[in-house]
Amino acid sequence: QKEVEQDPGPLSVPEGAIVSLNCTYSNSAFQYFMWYRQYSRKGPELLMYTYSSGNKEDGRFTAQVDKSSKYISLFIRDSQPSDSATYLCASDSGNTPLVFGKGTRLSVIA
Amino acid sequence: KAGVTQTPRYLIKTRGQQVTLSCSPISGHRSVSWYQQTPGQGLQFLFEYFSETQRNKGNFPGRFSGRQFSNSRSEMNVSTLELGDSALYLCASSLTSGSTDTQYFGPGTRLTVL
Repeated sequence: QKEVEQDPGPLSVPEGAIVSLNCTYSNSAFQYFMWYRQYSRKGPELLMYTYSSGNKEDGRFTAQVDKSSKYISLFIRDSQPSDSATYLCASDSGNTPLVFGKGTRLSVIA
Repeated sequence: KAGVTQTPRYLIKTRGQQVTLSCSPISGHRSVSWYQQTPGQGLQFLFEYFSETQRNKGNFPGRFSGRQFSNSRSEMNVSTLELGDSALYLCASSLTSGSTDTQYFGPGTRLTVL
């Protein structure tokens, strides 16, 4: 079992929809949780960064971490075609390398 | 400020050959990490260098090696290439070592092994 599991999709939604992307992790030592966005032919870019449990909001994006269930979520409100990309979740314990999920490919249709 | 640059962007090699990939971090960044990205395995950590010292190493065979120079530029080398080494190789830089520091990724080098 990979330490971070993520449904690869693809996920296709209409413009304006609320998108929910999810990951689960198995390592109880994980404290740091990130979401990266990767456009085609580009490297990943950091979208959201969360320490421990809780919610974090940044514009149309909300990241949630539930450490009791080892569940990580990213919500995108009012999705736009420009949000079409692969979204990667990542976690680590603070002194170990980042462990990434395989990524979910999202398409937002105008 | 210039981002992370990787050269070359595309590379085609044959089995048994060796390859060297280069990464120039963002100015002032001292940590460079390398990752392999494939459709089957996703993004997997190869190694991290900080101030010319390897800090962490992923679960890859010894054919994969790297180094960092005094100007923080880094190279990774893959010897005796195998078909399964075909992947996107990404490098990421950060100010310091550790996950509290944001990693900035380059565009990657697409390696195809024939």
